[in-house]
Amino acid sequence: DAGVIQSPRHEVTEMGQEVTLRCKPISGHDYLFWYRQTMMRGLELLIYFNNNVPIDDSGMPEDRFSAKMPNASFSTLKIQPSEPRDSAVYFCASSPGTGYEKLFFGSGTQLSVL
Amino acid sequence: DQQVKQNSPSLSVQEGRISILNCDYTNSMFDYFLWYKKYPAEGPTFLISISSIKDKNEDGRFTVFLNKSAKHLSLHIVPSQPGDSAVYFCAASEGAQKLVFGQGTRLTINP
Repeated sequence: DAGVIQSPRHEVTEMGQEVTLRCKPISGHDYLFWYRQTMMRGLELLIYFNNNVPIDDSGMPEDRFSAKMPNASFSTLKIQPSEPRDSAVYFCASSPGTGYEKLFFGSGTQLSVL
Repeated sequence: DQQVKQNSPSLSVQEGRISILNCDYTNSMFDYFLWYKKYPAEGPTFLISISSIKDKNEDGRFTVFLNKSAKHLSLHIVPSQPGDSAVYFCAASEGAQKLVFGQGTRLTINP
C-alpha cells in the first residue's frame, strides 16, 4: 500500500491567492483527518470525515478554510483567500476506525504564504 | 487553551542514556493517551499508547507512565539510540473522540 498521499509537498503562494491541498487516503479507511502543524500549537485537528461525511469541523479556523471529500479516495482542503498566518505544514491522515493507533499520516504539505 | 502541553521544545541526550519526555494535560475527561514520533519530511507515526485505567505501558525500549492525579504523562526511552532523534508528540482523546496533540518535543541523541 502506498500510504496516505498528499500533494503538493510544497506550496508557495502570495497573500490573497487560493490554495488547494489534496489528499488520497489509504484504500478501505473510513476516516479522514486534516491537521495543521505550527510551532506554537503543535498538531491541530481542522476537520475530519467519516465515510465522506464531515463529522467535526470545529477546528477550521475561519470561513476562508473549506474541506471536501467527494469520494472515498480523495479529499481537498482549500484556503481562499490565503494569508501569511496560514503558513504551516498541513497533514492529512486516514484511519480504518476510531482506534488512534491506526491513524496513518501523509508526509504533509509545507505551505508558505508570502 | 492548549489542553495538551509539552513544555520542553527540545531535549538533548547522550546515546545509551535514558530519554524522558514529558506531557501535561488539563482535561480530566481524557481517557486514552498516545505518543507519536515524527522524522523530518515525514508524517507522524504511532509509537505507544496507554489507557487511563493503567499507569504504565511498556513496549521494548519505550515505556509510558501516566499520573492521573497530576494530569501528567511521560515517555521513557532506554537506552536511547541515534535513530530515536525525532520530534515526539503527546496526544490524548476523550471517549474515542478527536485526538488532541501537544506542541511536540524535538529529541536529539548525541553519539
